[in-house]
Amino acid sequence: GAVVSQHPSWVICKSGTSVKIECRSLDFQATTMFWYRQFPKQSLMLMATSNEGSKATYEQGVEKDKFLINHASLTLSTLTVTSAHPEDSSFYICSARAPDRGDTGELFFGEGSRLTVL
Amino acid sequence: GQNIDQPTEMTATEGAIVQINCTYQTSGFNGLFWYQQHAGEAPTFLSYNVLDGLEEKGRFSSFLSRSKGYSYLLLKELQMKDSASYLCAVMDSNYQLIWGAGTKLIIKP
Repeated sequence: GAVVSQHPSWVICKSGTSVKIECRSLDFQATTMFWYRQFPKQSLMLMATSNEGSKATYEQGVEKDKFLINHASLTLSTLTVTSAHPEDSSFYICSARAPDRGDTGELFFGEGSRLTVL
Repeated sequence: GQNIDQPTEMTATEGAIVQINCTYQTSGFNGLFWYQQHAGEAPTFLSYNVLDGLEEKGRFSSFLSRSKGYSYLLLKELQMKDSASYLCAVMDSNYQLIWGAGTKLIIKP
């Protein structure tokens, strides 16, 4: 159990276009999902915390108007990179905690989405 | 500030044992995690320590000393598939995960 699926795995887009990445919890309900970005040879950087039915909480330095997060249901959160530019090229990963795992805080990760902006 | 330190890269031989260290300074502590991440893939959970001592799980063991702000991941009987990055992460008093930069482990035949 506790499977998180992320789509698409790879996406290449032109500069100035928008890209949507989906994150789904397949066998549990996730009231909270986390979006990370990871540049090559660097650690995961938390971008925002997505809360079902309310606005996302963004980390300092992350532009909320550029990285739109929608968490409309208990199993789906989306990240839209608006007006993407080459510097937005990165590995984007979502994660969630399964409520039946108690207080361990273990995160279950999606497969990740590699975005390349030309 | 909050800080997680782990070596950038380590090399070991197939069949041997390797220990990856992690030291941390965080505002509060609610557990330490080790994740494995193969290149181009998402991290996968390895272990969780919240009390001092050693947790063993097959070929992998994780140790924690809260007083020293120190943990290590011990990998035994190394296999080529163990070549990956190993991420240390600490959950602080706000239940936020603070991530280390990861240790790239290279296994040689």
